[in-house]
Amino acid sequence: TQLLEQSPQFLSIQEGENLTVYCNSSSVFSSLQWYRQEPGEGPVLLVTVVTGGEVKKLKRLTFQFGDARKDSSLHITAAQTGDTGLYLCAGARAAGNKLTFGGGTRVLVKP
Amino acid sequence: DTGVSQNPRHKITKRGQNVTFRCDPISEHNRLYWYRQTLGQGPEFLTYFQNEAQLEKSRLLSDRFSAERPKGSFSTLEIQRTEQGDSAMYLCASSLEGQWDTEAFFGQGTRLTVV
Repeated sequence: TQLLEQSPQFLSIQEGENLTVYCNSSSVFSSLQWYRQEPGEGPVLLVTVVTGGEVKKLKRLTFQFGDARKDSSLHITAAQTGDTGLYLCAGARAAGNKLTFGGGTRVLVKP
Repeated sequence: DTGVSQNPRHKITKRGQNVTFRCDPISEHNRLYWYRQTLGQGPEFLTYFQNEAQLEKSRLLSDRFSAERPKGSFSTLEIQRTEQGDSAMYLCASSLEGQWDTEAFFGQGTRLTVV
């Protein structure tokens, strides 16, 4: 049983379309991180959110942390082929503590 | 490059052999984590160190697995008597104690294939 559930598991869209990935849990996290992972590589940190209701923007990516700090979403506007990859959310129960990962969402952006 | 470094990148071994992986964290980071990732899944926590002390071990870490961080800098993960089920990507990450938002940075991983 995964503590963090990501949906959808797979998303295929055309370049220029928008997409949203969800990360849900019944547990409260002190912080939540989003990573992108390319095949054969380690996850690369995109953003960390720590405050309930927080919204962070990174160019075309918008990250939101739920008010109760149990869920998060990642929205990509006008997706590009370079956005293709595995998106992982990961939560920490306390500062400096281990991360619990979701199962990942594989995003394919077609030209 | 001052990121997390892992060696080797790939390892193919025969079932029953022992293997050892190395992780060099970001130099000022005192926390070091090991995760395992199988195909199509998110990483799963194995163990972590604060300086040289191993503070937590997952139940996934059977007695065939041992991790060390002797001087609080680099770490090694050894798997004895490897089994085919050990085939996975082994990821190392590091972070800085006191960072309240727990930003962990990952290495490129070591892909282990047990044949």
